[in-house]
Amino acid sequence: GNSVTQMEGPVTLSEEAFLTINCTYTATGYPSLFWYVQYPGEGLQLLLKATKADDKGSNKGFEATYRKETTSFHLEKGSVQVSDSAVYFCALAPSGNTPLVFGKGTRLSVIA
Amino acid sequence: DAMVIQNPRYQVTQFGKPVTLSCSQTLNHNVMYWYQQKSSQAPKLLFHYYDKDFNNEADTPDNFQSRRPNTSFCFLDIRSPGLGDAAMYLCATSGGLASYEQYFGPGTRLTVT
Repeated sequence: GNSVTQMEGPVTLSEEAFLTINCTYTATGYPSLFWYVQYPGEGLQLLLKATKADDKGSNKGFEATYRKETTSFHLEKGSVQVSDSAVYFCALAPSGNTPLVFGKGTRLSVIA
Repeated sequence: DAMVIQNPRYQVTQFGKPVTLSCSQTLNHNVMYWYQQKSSQAPKLLFHYYDKDFNNEADTPDNFQSRRPNTSFCFLDIRSPGLGDAAMYLCATSGGLASYEQYFGPGTRLTVT
């Protein structure tokens, strides 16, 4: 079956620190991969995506590369800000217009 | 801007009193989803519609029902809310050719007293 495993949180970093949140997946076929971010009291926002192997998704300084050989899609940011404090969800779509499979989420807290 | 709208943002209901949550979209997407989310856990899929084709998850309680009268609107009905149904309810859409990502509304936080 399809599943997503992401690192347990919470993660607490100082402002300007480097961020990595690990995400690995199990899927049949060639899924699309996503990172969603959820700020307190809000819905999920798409942060970035990659639809095929070796694609790099990027947005707002965040990056993730679709690594088929290691079935991974790790989220990175070179210098985090307090405003990046949120819960981050890794997800996969087995095919188009099908329900997403989510990881359990990682809470990030950035302190000044 | 095209978007997914949920009303109300906050809903308080009494134990056992039916409640309806609504979702509308201006994206003209053919797929709509309802998720339940508790305490920043991963969203749990309740139902989804592919056009008018209704898909119920196997573990969605019978207490939850959904209606999609047209492309733009979708409703979540909770017939007899229990304390365990207090959660954030998220609506999402997807659509278009080879479209994989989902677009989420801001959610409705349901409190059961």
